[in-house]
Amino acid sequence: DVKVTQSSRYLVKRTGEKVFLECVQDMDHENMFWYRQDPGLGLRLIYFSYDVKMKEKGDIPEGYSVSREKKERFSLILESASTNQTSMYLCASSFGQDEGETQYFGPGTRLLVL
Amino acid sequence: SQKIEQNSEALNIQEGKTATLTCNYTNYSPAYLQWYRQDPGRGPVFLLLIRENEKEKRKERLKVTFDTTLKQSLFHITASQPADSATYLCALLSGGYNKLIFGAGTRLAVHP
Repeated sequence: DVKVTQSSRYLVKRTGEKVFLECVQDMDHENMFWYRQDPGLGLRLIYFSYDVKMKEKGDIPEGYSVSREKKERFSLILESASTNQTSMYLCASSFGQDEGETQYFGPGTRLLVL
Repeated sequence: SQKIEQNSEALNIQEGKTATLTCNYTNYSPAYLQWYRQDPGRGPVFLLLIRENEKEKRKERLKVTFDTTLKQSLFHITASQPADSATYLCALLSGGYNKLIFGAGTRLAVHP
């Protein structure tokens, strides 16, 4: 079974703090994704990565950066957290070889920025 | 711009009935469409994929249709059970690397 894990289920941070969200997958997947999910807006793609050290902006990259130093690990960084970044953050991965690959999601990190 | 719409209102049905959820899209010609299930506080879980050249796909009590003319997919759960209560998301391929765009989801509540 594919397993995608995220470093924290719940996180409370203060405005201006630097925040690191970690995601690890154990199936040698090429692609990894970071989404945020807000009520009524669904999942919105922040960044994705298709290989080690490669990254692409998604639909809402402002205020975020990412790092992929190893294939199994994809980190999301909030350089200076703001209250409008309070959200549910979901990481996903996919094999990446064929079109139509499903995405496997982690359990999510609920971030509250005070 | 590309847009996916799912009914934002919750769907309430009686156990044993068929639940039908709708996914409409505009400004888009996806090669395939996926459906995911999401339980509260958890990440989405893949259920079914249907390609543009397939009209219908089935898996146990689940059925998905894909009408590229109407730009619509219907997701059916037959003989619904309270355990089917969840939010269901549709997702379309959006660009390379299997990047997906998701609808906001429809919450289904199945009552005993």
